[in-house]
This record gives sequence, C-alpha cells and structure tokens, in this order.
Amino acid sequence: NAGVTQTPKFRVLKTGQSMTLLCAQDMNHEYMYWYRQDPGMGLRLIHYSVGEGTTAKGEVPDGYNVSRLKKQNFLLGLESAAPSQTSVYFCASSSTVSEAFFGQGTRLTVV
Amino acid sequence: AQSVTQLDSHVSVSEGTPVLLRCNYSSSYSPSLFWYVQHPNKGLQLLLKYTSAATLVKGINGFEAEFKKSETSFHLTKPSAHMSDAAEYFCVTNTGFQKLVFGTGTRLLVSP
Repeated sequence: NAGVTQTPKFRVLKTGQSMTLLCAQDMNHEYMYWYRQDPGMGLRLIHYSVGEGTTAKGEVPDGYNVSRLKKQNFLLGLESAAPSQTSVYFCASSSTVSEAFFGQGTRLTVV
Repeated sequence: AQSVTQLDSHVSVSEGTPVLLRCNYSSSYSPSLFWYVQHPNKGLQLLLKYTSAATLVKGINGFEAEFKKSETSFHLTKPSAHMSDAAEYFCVTNTGFQKLVFGTGTRLLVSP
C-alpha cells in the first residue's frame, strides 16, 4: 500500500531553472495539497485541489504553479527557481471523511 | 480565521517522565483539531484527532489530548516518555475543503 508518493526525494537547482515535483496517491482521495516546510514556520499551504481538473491558491502560492489532470496525480511546478524556494515540500491527500496522508517529502535546494 | 498556537518551540524531558505539549486554538466554531508527529527526515504521521465527539482523545503510542473549550486548548500528553518519542510535533486545525493550518511545531527532546 503506497499511500502518497513524491518524486524526486532530493533535488538541487540553479537559480532560474525550472522543475516539476510529482505527487501520486492511490487512495482515490478527492483533495490534494502541496505544502512547504521551513524551520520555525510549520507547514504552509502552497496550492490545493478539490478534484480532478481543479486547483486553488493557498497561503504562499507565488512562484509556483500546479496541475491536476488526473485524480491520482498533483504536480507542483517551479518556472524560475529562486533561493527563497529552498525548502522541504510535502504533498498530502485526503477525502471528506479522512485525515490527511502525507508523502515523505522532497528536499529542494536552490543555489 | 481558524488558527493554532503552539506555546513551546522546544520541550525537554527525561525518559520515563510525563510529556506535555501545549496548543491553543482560535476558531469561530467548533474546530477539528489534530496532532501530527514528524521524526527526523520523515513525513508526517497522524497521532490523534478531535472532531467534536469525546473531549478526551486517545491516539497512537500512548499519547492523548483533551479538548477544553473554556480554555481554547488542545494539549498533548503522555504519561511516560520514551526515547523514540523524540520528534517534532505539530498541532493542526482545518478550514474549508479540509485545508490544514499548522502550528509552528514543538521539538520534543528526550534524555536518558
């Protein structure tokens, strides 16, 4: 039972490069989320989706884009990476009646 | 708007002594509240959740939390700490569409 799987687990980018983080869930959950975790700040919501084909902004959406073309996948894109986007990124999924399940995280460093 | 405040950034205990991690919430209605744990370089795991049923909630690994509306608190406790409890703990509430709002975290240190 995979749950929520994030790829890649680690990545180093140069300033200005782009990349996409992939999140996949196998629990048929309606809701999916992208959070970033920074020291002393807990987790902050970047973007979320309430169903296939839908996306919405969270607390800190600037510099990121997302897409949910399939119910089981939620992609997070960085078009032009900046050092301020160095963080640990977590994907999560949930249903209307379940708690959120989290992936193992992606550690991104932008130099 | 719903929010949670974790009152301690670090808590240090000795193995075998009680654990108390404090969380206050702010909500205009009866909230859903959660405690998650994160071990070093790991994802987040749900410890327990309150969703307006019993005010004393029991979770995994011997943890429990009590919802106190009069004090707007949801403190996490464990009678006897174990070395494996050393981790970061997050108090969490949710808003519309199950969006989670996290506290800033409490790092629990357990010494032998």
